[in-house]
Amino acid sequence: AQSVTQPDIHITVSEGASLELRCNYSYGATPYLFWYVQSPGQGLQLLLKYFSGDTLVQGIKGFEAEFKRSQSSFNLRKPSVHWSDAAEYFCAVGLMEYGNKLVFGAGTILRVKS
Amino acid sequence: GAVVSQHPSWVICKSGTSVKIECRSLDFQATTMFWYRQFPKQSLMLMATSNEGSKATYEQGVEKDKFLINHASLTLSTLTVTSAHPEDSSFYICSAPGAANEQYFGPGTRLTVT
Repeated sequence: AQSVTQPDIHITVSEGASLELRCNYSYGATPYLFWYVQSPGQGLQLLLKYFSGDTLVQGIKGFEAEFKRSQSSFNLRKPSVHWSDAAEYFCAVGLMEYGNKLVFGAGTILRVKS
Repeated sequence: GAVVSQHPSWVICKSGTSVKIECRSLDFQATTMFWYRQFPKQSLMLMATSNEGSKATYEQGVEKDKFLINHASLTLSTLTVTSAHPEDSSFYICSAPGAANEQYFGPGTRLTVT
């Protein structure tokens, strides 16, 4: 069965420090992978996506993610975190054979300390 | 970019009543829409796939008779929570697939059943 694992429920980083959020997936076919961010009480905003090609993808707000097929991972990174990045981050895999419905990971709550 | 709206954004209803939530694609057509629910501090769980002109496809464990979905047009899907109970209180989010295999999410509807 398809699944997405985000092993870190909470992460706290200092403002200006680098960030890496982990994501591992289980999917039989070539995955379509996404990272979304959600602020409290809000909907989801797409940060970046991977469909094919270059395994290092750039997104909005200075985020990037690297697809590693051998590790079934799609970790999200940012070199310098800003206080406004505090939010919850969701990794998701798109099931193309089911009309692109998404399976989400449990999410990682990011706290930024000044 | 593509915009998906939801109405209402927030609703309180009494136990036993029904509540309708609308999901609209504002500047594009969607033959398929997805409905998710999100409990506090949890991830998004897909409830059902809404199909324009045909019956919705429900995920395992989702009660069809309780969560009625109607995809009335290429820009509108509705989710009706029938005979709502406090355990139905949740954040309901819809999405619609757009170009380039992306999903566009609505801002969500917070339902509180008293």
